[in-house]
Amino acid sequence: NAGVMQNPRHLVRRRGQEARLRCSPVKGHSHVYWYRQLPEEGLKFMVYLQKENIIDESGMPKERFSAEFPKEGPSILRIQQVVRGDSAAYFCASSTSQGANTEAFFGQGTRLTVV
Amino acid sequence: GDSVTQMEGPVTLSEEAFLTINCTYTATGYPSLFWYVQYPGEGLQLLLKATKADDKGSNKGFEATYRKETTSFHLEKGSVQVSDSAVYFCALTETSGSRLTFGEGTQLTVNP
Repeated sequence: NAGVMQNPRHLVRRRGQEARLRCSPVKGHSHVYWYRQLPEEGLKFMVYLQKENIIDESGMPKERFSAEFPKEGPSILRIQQVVRGDSAAYFCASSTSQGANTEAFFGQGTRLTVV
Repeated sequence: GDSVTQMEGPVTLSEEAFLTINCTYTATGYPSLFWYVQYPGEGLQLLLKATKADDKGSNKGFEATYRKETTSFHLEKGSVQVSDSAVYFCALTETSGSRLTFGEGTQLTVNP
């Protein structure tokens, strides 16, 4: 069984460009979460999606950031007009369902560097 | 809101030493508690968890007990190995939700 697959592993963008981060959840998982890890910090929740729906986006910056999880294909985290402060590791996690007892499986992350 | 506080790192130990990493939490309900481990360049892996008060989670020689009275979930291991060198994150999730709230992480380095 393949785990959570994120690509690319490393992404370099110039200021003002767009960044697209992809996450393929564990097969059969319909719940996806995105977290951001700034240098020397813990992970911060960004958004929670269930197939075609955004359930909780309370951790997403109000501007430039968006996320989707279409019926077919991977979940996408999109950052428009990137700035240096967006440089971070972005982790995706997936689970079979919602609930505190449901284990979330994490991908290896995408490390975004904005130059 | 919910929060998790971990002891500041980094922590450096010699092989076979005893490890404790402190973790305390603030939550409005009855959270589940987790320890995750992150090896260099990798994602997070679930190390252990406890879902109710007085539960003890254990895995690979690591243990943590859910203490509701002290709102703590300290991680312990009796004899660390070089291969345990990693960053350890304490986390919680509320019973009604799925999002994880993480502590800042503690870098552990074990020297031979």
